[in-house]
Amino acid sequence: AQKITQTQPGMFVQEKEAVTLDCTYDTSDQSYGLFWYKQPSSGEMIFLIYQGSYDEQNATEGRYSLNFQKARKSANLVISASQLGDSAMYFCAMTRMIQGAQKLVFGQGTRLTINP
Amino acid sequence: GAGVSQSPSNKVTEKGKDVELRCDPISGHTALYWYRQSLGQGLEFLIYFQGNSAPDKSGLPSDRFSAERTGGSVSTLTIQRTQQEDSAVYLCASSLPRSGSWETQYFGPGTRLLVL
Repeated sequence: AQKITQTQPGMFVQEKEAVTLDCTYDTSDQSYGLFWYKQPSSGEMIFLIYQGSYDEQNATEGRYSLNFQKARKSANLVISASQLGDSAMYFCAMTRMIQGAQKLVFGQGTRLTINP
Repeated sequence: GAGVSQSPSNKVTEKGKDVELRCDPISGHTALYWYRQSLGQGLEFLIYFQGNSAPDKSGLPSDRFSAERTGGSVSTLTIQRTQQEDSAVYLCASSLPRSGSWETQYFGPGTRLLVL
């Protein structure tokens, strides 16, 4: 069975610093997708970044980058130059294909707090 | 364009009552997913629709839960005879399947259900 582990329940970072949120995964699938979502206090899940298991280069989207280390089964999210608005819950997720559905399996999340 | 919308945003009901939760996906998205987010269980997959059909109902917690989708668009999740353990945030997501690629699921703001 697939499993996502986020070992940091909470993180506190100074504004403008870079932050790395850890994510490790366990799967026997050869092909899979890895996603990061942000959930602010409003509750909506906001898509941030995606990495396919066969992608050789790490994904980047603006201030977000995904540090993908396939051999270590890790997919850490790096946020550069953090901002107050980055304070939120962050979820790492993996897709698996079951009966045509790309189900997302989520980790428990990391609550990030950016201090001014 | 418009994102995924869900209604109601909040619902308080008494134990034993039936509730209907609605999801309106992004226009043109053929895949629709329901997830549940609760304190004890984290984020868990409930059901998936491709068009109007739901090939995978394995995630529904009990036979009190049902879902339908009509016209390949709006979906309704129905919980009959609600129990206190049904209290959670119900999230809907939609996506546009692409051949040979993992699809990104875009989430709505959720419906917060409280069963008294």
